[in-house]
Amino acid sequence: KAGVTQTPRYLIKTRGQQVTLSCSPISGHRSVSWYQQTPGQGLQFLFEYFSETQRNKGNFPGRFSGRQFSNSRSEMNVSTLELGDSALYLCASSLNSGALGYGYTFGSGTRLTVV
Amino acid sequence: DQQVKQNSPSLSVQEGRISILNCDYTNSMFDYFLWYKKYPAEGPTFLISISSIKDKNEDGRFTVFLNKSAKHLSLHIVPSQPGDSAVYFCAASNTGNQFYFGTGTSLTVIP
Repeated sequence: KAGVTQTPRYLIKTRGQQVTLSCSPISGHRSVSWYQQTPGQGLQFLFEYFSETQRNKGNFPGRFSGRQFSNSRSEMNVSTLELGDSALYLCASSLNSGALGYGYTFGSGTRLTVV
Repeated sequence: DQQVKQNSPSLSVQEGRISILNCDYTNSMFDYFLWYKKYPAEGPTFLISISSIKDKNEDGRFTVFLNKSAKHLSLHIVPSQPGDSAVYFCAASNTGNQFYFGTGTSLTVIP
């Protein structure tokens, strides 16, 4: 079966711009979680969507938002980009919300660079 | 506030020897722990997990140990192989909700 697909793989944006990242989960998976990975901070949880509803939210400013569509695909948006937003953004899909760790399948990520 | 900590950013081990990766956590409510492995340019992949009702879980060359009183878990890889070279993340959660990840340990297995 196809894995988790994240697009684009790489992105370069300038400060102040906004960006939208996309994640297509594994077919049948209804939960999508987003993580930010930076050196020294590990993977930081952004939010989780399940059946088009945000179920959990991490400790990130309101510039970070997301949504999930009826086909479970999810998008993450970051507005007014800052240099510190440069990171690898990972999407993980699972069958159900609150799935145990083995139920997570990560995508390869989108590498965002803010200049 | 980093609730899950991996204090060793890197580790080098000879092929065939044991690799021990360590992880500490601060939240006593965590009841489920897991390890992920990540190769460059790929997403993390699940390796092994352990629930708080156990103190050891084994899967082939990989064993995870949990010491709840010390809030510490470790991953043992025996014997280590060059293909094990990757970044290893530990993670913890409270009843399968939000997972808190550590900062990762980069393991290099030297042939």
